Amino acid sequence: DAKTTQPPSMDCAEGRAANLPCNHSTISGNEYVYWYRQIHSQGPQYIIHGLKNNETNEMASLIITEDRKSSTLILPHATLRDTAVYYCIVRVPGIYGGSQGNLIFGKGTKLSVKP
Amino acid sequence: NAGVTQTPKFQVLKTGQSMTLQCAQDMNHEYMSWYRQDPGMGLRLIHYSVGAGITDQGEVPNGYNVSRSTTEDFPLRLLSAAPSQTSVYFCASSYSGSKIDTQYFGPGTRLTVL
Repeated sequence: DAKTTQPPSMDCAEGRAANLPCNHSTISGNEYVYWYRQIHSQGPQYIIHGLKNNETNEMASLIITEDRKSSTLILPHATLRDTAVYYCIVRVPGIYGGSQGNLIFGKGTKLSVKP
Repeated sequence: NAGVTQTPKFQVLKTGQSMTLQCAQDMNHEYMSWYRQDPGMGLRLIHYSVGAGITDQGEVPNGYNVSRSTTEDFPLRLLSAAPSQTSVYFCASSYSGSKIDTQYFGPGTRLTVL
C-alpha cells in the first residue's frame, strides 16, 4: 500500500500557483519525499525531492512541515502543460527493494490547469 | 543520450502467446525496474534489478520473468499471455550512487491480450 495520501483531483487557473498537498504521517526518519508527475500516456517524470528542508529547483518548490508528516508541492506559475497526475512518494534513496526502497505509487492527484 | 528506450510501443497478443518487452538504457545505471499501469491506477512494480546478474520480485511478479545479463538491457518476458496482463508497461532506471536517486522512465509499451 502507498504510504502517502493525496486528493484525487485539483483545478488551477493558468498563471496561478498550484499547491498540491500530500500526507505521509508514518514517514520514517531516513525516508525522503519524492514527487513525480505523469503527463497523459507518458512515463512518469521526476520533479523534486527532499528530506526535511524546503527545496526549490527549476520546476517546483517543495515545502515539508517541521514534523515531516505532510508536504506541499508548489508549481509557482502553472501552465496548460502542467496538466498531469502528480505522485507523492516516500522512500530511502540508494535502497532497493521492500517498502523503503521501491517507488510505491498511489493514485496521485490529477491536476487540471485551466485557461 | 537516448535515455530509457522501450520496444515495441504497441503489441497485441492472443491468450497463451509469449513475447519479450525490451528495455535499454545508455546512462550506465545499475538499477532497472519494470512497472505496469492499469486504467485509473498508479504504477505497480513487477520486477527490478540492482545490477547485472541480480534480479528480484516486486509487488506483482506472477506471469512475468526477467533477466539482466548486461547493465544496459532488462527484458521482460511473458511466457503465456493472459487477458489480465493487458496493461501499459513502463521500464525505469536510476544511478544508485547518487543521493538524488532519480528514476528515469521509458515511454511505455501498450500491450493488449485478446
